[in-house]
Amino acid sequence: QVTLKESGPVVVKPTETLMLTCTVSGFSLSNFRMGVSWFRQPPGRALEWLAHISSSDEKSYSTSLKSRLTISKDTSKSQVILTMTNMDPVDTATYYCARTVVVLPDRWGQGTLVTVSS
Amino acid sequence: DIVMTQSPDSLAVSLGERATINCKSSQSLLYSSNNKNFLAWYQQKPGQPPKLLIYWASTRESGVPDRFSGSGSATDFTLTISSLQAEDVAVYYCLQYYSSPQTFGQGTKVDI
Repeated sequence: QVTLKESGPVVVKPTETLMLTCTVSGFSLSNFRMGVSWFRQPPGRALEWLAHISSSDEKSYSTSLKSRLTISKDTSKSQVILTMTNMDPVDTATYYCARTVVVLPDRWGQGTLVTVSS
Repeated sequence: DIVMTQSPDSLAVSLGERATINCKSSQSLLYSSNNKNFLAWYQQKPGQPPKLLIYWASTRESGVPDRFSGSGSATDFTLTISSLQAEDVAVYYCLQYYSSPQTFGQGTKVDI
């Protein structure tokens, strides 16, 4: 059974760096064709793709957020980490990770709500 | 970036009636080497993560009821719910995975 679980702070202050962890089970991050993407969804708004990391460690980022994002993985721990620098209240959102088959997201975590507030 | 535009933004359909959602992309999602459209549809219910319904524009994900169908090619796509059930009330999103960055439509809210 494939599962993904996001973890990280519930509240961050403006200008701080957010670090989120996606812990996966039921598949291996080194499995050919398997990757993980991160998404976010501000309250009441649409989904937004943030970043992707492939089984071969290729990384890609949102055009508008590229300068603030870093994605990495620890295959031995079955974890994918996303960091976002210089957080702002407009970054308040539910953050999701999802397994990708090549690049198609097929299984999602439940998401974690991150609020940016002083 | 490829821009995805859904229509309508919301629609109300009677139980048992057909619901149709459109998705238009700013450039073709058809990959000529394999003749596949890199377009997926997701369903999102309140408080839940998105659920994959359709990929390659028309391939139903395992376990998805056959009242859900996808069609279209290149830049114009449609998600059809042939006979709306109460449990289909949700927001539906299209996603292009043809190129990075992946982009979603703005979502279509389906109500009864």
